[in-house]
Amino acid sequence: DTEVTQTPKHLVMGMTNKKSLKCEQHMGHRAMYWYKQKAKKPPELMFVYSYEKLSINESVPSRFSPECPNSSLLNLHLHALQPEDSALYLCASTSGPPSSEAFFGQGTRLTVV
Amino acid sequence: AQSVTQLDSQVPVFEEAPVELRCNYSSSVSVYLFWYVQYPNQGLQLLLKYLSGSTLVESINGFEAEFNKSQTSFHLRKPSVHISDTAEYFCAVSALRTGNQFYFGTGTSLTVIP
Repeated sequence: DTEVTQTPKHLVMGMTNKKSLKCEQHMGHRAMYWYKQKAKKPPELMFVYSYEKLSINESVPSRFSPECPNSSLLNLHLHALQPEDSALYLCASTSGPPSSEAFFGQGTRLTVV
Repeated sequence: AQSVTQLDSQVPVFEEAPVELRCNYSSSVSVYLFWYVQYPNQGLQLLLKYLSGSTLVESINGFEAEFNKSQTSFHLRKPSVHISDTAEYFCAVSALRTGNQFYFGTGTSLTVIP
């Protein structure tokens, strides 16, 4: 199994809603990532979990809250988002550090209304 | 820290013509190099990677890239493109020893014209 699975594929939420994005991998990878990608732009790193501990937080607003319940799962809890937070949210995993490549999920297309 | 530059934001090319997508990187340490492809509304898929050894690496669908340490480049080439190659292409680096962070270039949009 070389897949990273993200759910849901699409999400529309209001600015007062609370929702969660989920990511799962069963490759035994010990590092997992959240990226945000706007249209026609490269992915921007948000968070890195290494061995289930948050190792990198790229100054992401507190309305985004990551969680790593175990080595296979990664969540991103969303609360009080803004319309400019609408984007494709990508999860990735690597075997590292040091890592040879990142495996990406298909992403969750988030629209904030 | 590492950084990646993709000079060409858009590359239109006719079907069956050759193409080169340019990537240059900057790093004070040894790096791994990658090309990822992204089709519309999908995640990123690894196209090919350079870790060590032969500086010329190939993918299963006809792409190749050559690591040039002196020019700090990792350009992507294909001798004959297909319509299905139309996509966004991202070059990326990660540090050899400590890499659990990927730095992406700004992307090149390849459009294959029939």
